[in-house]
Amino acid sequence: ILNVEQSPQSLHVQEGDSTNFTCSFPSSNFYALHWYRWETAKSPEALFVMTLNGDEKKKGRISATLNTKEGYSYLYIKGSQPEDSATYLCAFYNNAGNMLTFGGGTRLMVKP
Amino acid sequence: DVKVTQSSRYLVKRTGEKVFLECVQDMDHENMFWYRQDPGLGLRLIYFSYDVKMKEKGDIPEGYSVSREKKERFSLILESASTNQTSMYLCASSLRGETDTQYFGPGTRLTVL
Repeated sequence: ILNVEQSPQSLHVQEGDSTNFTCSFPSSNFYALHWYRWETAKSPEALFVMTLNGDEKKKGRISATLNTKEGYSYLYIKGSQPEDSATYLCAFYNNAGNMLTFGGGTRLMVKP
Repeated sequence: DVKVTQSSRYLVKRTGEKVFLECVQDMDHENMFWYRQDPGLGLRLIYFSYDVKMKEKGDIPEGYSVSREKKERFSLILESASTNQTSMYLCASSLRGETDTQYFGPGTRLTVL
């Protein structure tokens, strides 16, 4: 079983703060890295799929970077809003396997 | 919009019962997945299927089986439910490959007494 770790496990920020969290994954046999947002009482929704070292993706106030050589991805949220409160999951695909391995998630709570 | 539906949002069963969880997707996706989610453990893959009648074990297949008789439907079966199978179960589907995003159902919270 591949080891995908996310930190921190949970995070409380004030509305308007910018924040970031980390996903670490094995750097060998990298194929793709997925980010999902999972709001309470809803289904997880895809944010990004990243495949290239140095890739940067952006969706509104949320962006992500990827470093496949050292095995990490950062997710940034600029000017957090209460509606950003959710669990953010990353998932790793390697080219030796055929399934996504998910990290434990970072639970973000944004206080108004 | 892709839609993935699961047969129940909440389910309570007794130890030893046979349990069926159904998942249906409406976008002609090749791949379907069953995960369970437990606090602090993220999503763990139980089984997946990349074609009708095909199945592959995930990380935690013990105590579960699956069935995919039609492309749009993927069933998870607990042959004899046990209390350690109390969990949130999520179904997902994706088009075909590793860079295709997965679309998730709303989840079934199963409690085994």
